[in-house]
Amino acid sequence: DSGVTQTPKHLITATGQRVTLRCSPRSGDLSVYWYQQSLDQGLQFLIQYYNGEERAKGNILERFSAQQFPDLHSELNLSSLELGDSALYFCASSSRAPMLGELFFGEGSRLTVL
Amino acid sequence: QQQVKQSPQSLIVQKGGISIINCAYENTAFDYFPWYQQFPGKGPALLIAIRPDVSEKKEGRFTISFNKSAKQFSLHIMDSQPGDSATYFCAASLNYGQNFVFGPGTRLSVLP
Repeated sequence: DSGVTQTPKHLITATGQRVTLRCSPRSGDLSVYWYQQSLDQGLQFLIQYYNGEERAKGNILERFSAQQFPDLHSELNLSSLELGDSALYFCASSSRAPMLGELFFGEGSRLTVL
Repeated sequence: QQQVKQSPQSLIVQKGGISIINCAYENTAFDYFPWYQQFPGKGPALLIAIRPDVSEKKEGRFTISFNKSAKQFSLHIMDSQPGDSATYFCAASLNYGQNFVFGPGTRLSVLP
């Protein structure tokens, strides 16, 4: 158990809809990362937050947005969903110490868009 | 320059054999090189990591070899076991743990 909690684990929705994925980082971790993993694809970095502030942005579509709240949990909002958005969405958290650089991943939220 | 290349895409090894996965990068500013292991239905988990000031790091049956001049690093799994069957991702990061870039992954199957 990595200590990172993601909900929901599975989500099925229709094209054009909007969903929200939630992530609770490990206790004490200030950084939250969101990754997308499509079928047989690698981990595509979407966005990173550090202590409530956006720190880095990757290949995140304009239809997607995220935020990190004062209690450090994060939400990834996906809107105007398309079939191609079907994927596993992972949240990861990290701390600068003591294991510098280690990412702790949740078990992911599997999104299916029909 | 932010890309990390990884090969092979898939690998089949007999139990007891050596599994070797290779990665290459372009950005010499990368300063941390971890390997992550992902089992089906689970999130990736850190397996082993190396910094560029070290040429090799060994943890049990897992060894990272790092060639700074060639900008390549590899994962060696000695005495491979069926329980090692998973997808392995190499990664590189800037600023010692931020801004991770992952390779596309290698699906390893270890036959009993």
